[in-house]
Amino acid sequence: NAGVTQTPKFQVLKTGQSMTLQCAQDMNHEYMSWYRQDPGMGLRLIHYSVGAGITDQGEVPNGYNVSRSTTEDFPLRLLSAAPSQTSVYFCASSTLRDWGETQYFGPGTRLLVL
Amino acid sequence: DQQVKQNSPSLSVQEGRISILNCDYTNSMFDYFLWYKKYPAEGPTFLISISSIKDKNEDGRFTVFLNKSAKHLSLHIVPSQPGDSAVYFCAATWSSGNTPLVFGKGTRLSVIA
Repeated sequence: NAGVTQTPKFQVLKTGQSMTLQCAQDMNHEYMSWYRQDPGMGLRLIHYSVGAGITDQGEVPNGYNVSRSTTEDFPLRLLSAAPSQTSVYFCASSTLRDWGETQYFGPGTRLLVL
Repeated sequence: DQQVKQNSPSLSVQEGRISILNCDYTNSMFDYFLWYKKYPAEGPTFLISISSIKDKNEDGRFTVFLNKSAKHLSLHIVPSQPGDSAVYFCAATWSSGNTPLVFGKGTRLSVIA
């Protein structure tokens, strides 16, 4: 049981490049979400999903796309990276029944956009 | 507009003493509150929660107090230990609609031996 895994751990991009941050969970959780953490800003929700085929925007969705084709995976796509997207990205998952309380976070992906 | 506020970016406490971390919220719809703890280079982990029908919840050394009229909650750690040094995030949600958590900016706690 690996919990929530994120790849890569660290990535450097040039402005305008695209990439996908991977997130997978093996706990059969319905709910998955992406947050970014910036110094002095806390954790801000980017996108979330309550099940396969269902996604919704969070507080800071601009510049990011998501899809949820399976229960296990919830990739985050940056279509054209900008320096403002330099951040640490966390993926989280939980059951809908235990919403909030048992959100399991991955170890994070540190992204630097030059 | 910030709905969940942690106004102290950092806090230093001596080992064995009490640590008190504060959190204020503005949205009266919130009815469920949580604290998460985060070590460097790791994801946040759930610590303790409280429903709006209670004013106190205790789990070992950790106690969360909720004052609904003041829209304020606090996390007490007694006694504080060096391993408690971490960033603590306050979060809130309303339980009726599977609404995502809203996090505060966090408070960095340093427990000095």
